[in-house]
Amino acid sequence: EDQVTQSPEALRLQEGESSSLNCSYTVSGLRGLFWYRQDPGKGPEFLFTLYSAGEEKEKERLKATLTKKESFLHITAPKPEDSATYLCAVQAKTSYDKVIFGPGTSLSVIP
Amino acid sequence: GAGVSQSPSNKVTEKGKDVELRCDPISGHTALYWYRQSLGQGLEFLIYFQGNSAPDKSGLPSDRFSAERTGGSVSTLTIQRTQQEDSAVYLCASSLVTRLGETQYFGPGTRLLVL
Repeated sequence: EDQVTQSPEALRLQEGESSSLNCSYTVSGLRGLFWYRQDPGKGPEFLFTLYSAGEEKEKERLKATLTKKESFLHITAPKPEDSATYLCAVQAKTSYDKVIFGPGTSLSVIP
Repeated sequence: GAGVSQSPSNKVTEKGKDVELRCDPISGHTALYWYRQSLGQGLEFLIYFQGNSAPDKSGLPSDRFSAERTGGSVSTLTIQRTQQEDSAVYLCASSLVTRLGETQYFGPGTRLLVL
């Protein structure tokens, strides 16, 4: 069964304290893995798409990496404005290109 | 430039009525996704359109749901005989694929409340 899990469920960091969020996935065929951030009461904001093991992408303080079983979102020297829920999703190579979301990691960055 | 727009922004309807939700993607974006998010819940995939190809509708939650995309642009999601469990925020996203990969842009969503 295709599924996505994320850990930790919640993470509290001091400003400047780097850390990583994990996304583990099981999918019959991976078309792409997506990372988003979502602020309370708002729609998701797209961050990255990764396609194959070994791929890495960066944007400001964020870096996403991908292996055959998991993806990491590394946050370097976070700021309070990085506080949000980070969502991971995989798009499967099914007949209908299904997208499966993880439950998210709620990140709080304390000044 | 204009982003993804959705209409209406809010919709209150009575159980059993039909509703139609609209998504206007960014011009030139070939892919379009529909999702929904119930209050306090995660995102649920509904359907994916790639260009003018007919989508596989297997991901829609029931046969009361249908979706169309005309001319590879505007998309409508129709819910027939609405039920209270259909209450959610319905989100549309369009995407652009370049040599660097896919970038998705979300609309503001339609908040549907079924009484």
